[in-house]
Amino acid sequence: GAGVSQSPSNKVTEKGKDVELRCDPISGHTALYWYRQSLGQGLEFLIYFQGNSAPDKSGLPSDRFSAERTGGSVSTLTIQRTQQEDSAVYLCASSLTGGAFYEQYFGPGTRLTVT
Amino acid sequence: QKEVEQNSGPLSVPEGAIASLNCTYSDRGSQSFFWYRQYSGKSPELIMSIYSNGDKEDGRFTAQLNKASQYVSLLIRDSQPSDSATYLCAVKRNYGQNFVFGPGTRLSVLP
Repeated sequence: GAGVSQSPSNKVTEKGKDVELRCDPISGHTALYWYRQSLGQGLEFLIYFQGNSAPDKSGLPSDRFSAERTGGSVSTLTIQRTQQEDSAVYLCASSLTGGAFYEQYFGPGTRLTVT
Repeated sequence: QKEVEQNSGPLSVPEGAIASLNCTYSDRGSQSFFWYRQYSGKSPELIMSIYSNGDKEDGRFTAQLNKASQYVSLLIRDSQPSDSATYLCAVKRNYGQNFVFGPGTRLSVLP
């Protein structure tokens, strides 16, 4: 079946512009995660959605970052007034539920470059 | 202490050898454990999950879990150059943002 999809695959933007990154989770998956990965670094958790519960936003690095998930499916990560340090690969992952014994599957990522 | 720790490597092994990747975690309430492989420039790919103490085998891969020691490992038998990648250990808690990833171990299999 279809995996997690993300768009765009690459995004180049000028400093100060806003960007939107999209994630389509695996159909039926209720848990959705956003991470970012800077070059040569580990995964940095950003935000977690589980069903209709309030999202866990504890990883968002600043108030310039926000995310929403409409209809329990597609999610959009928005970065306002982008800065050069926002340059990274943004990864989305989904899981059947947030329960303990369900694996997480990643999308291909969006590479964001802020010039 | 970080919640999930791994040796950053690089770990170099000759082709055909057994590669042993280790991971320790701090939260005793962790319930499930995962190994991901990440090739350079690609996203993480799930290799194995393990939930109970002991060994779990899948092809050339064996995951080992010891909850008392808070330790999980991945063995790769008959290592191939195509196994060269970064291996991420992930631990799932039973609350909140429940996936926690280690920093990854870079494995290099030398032909």
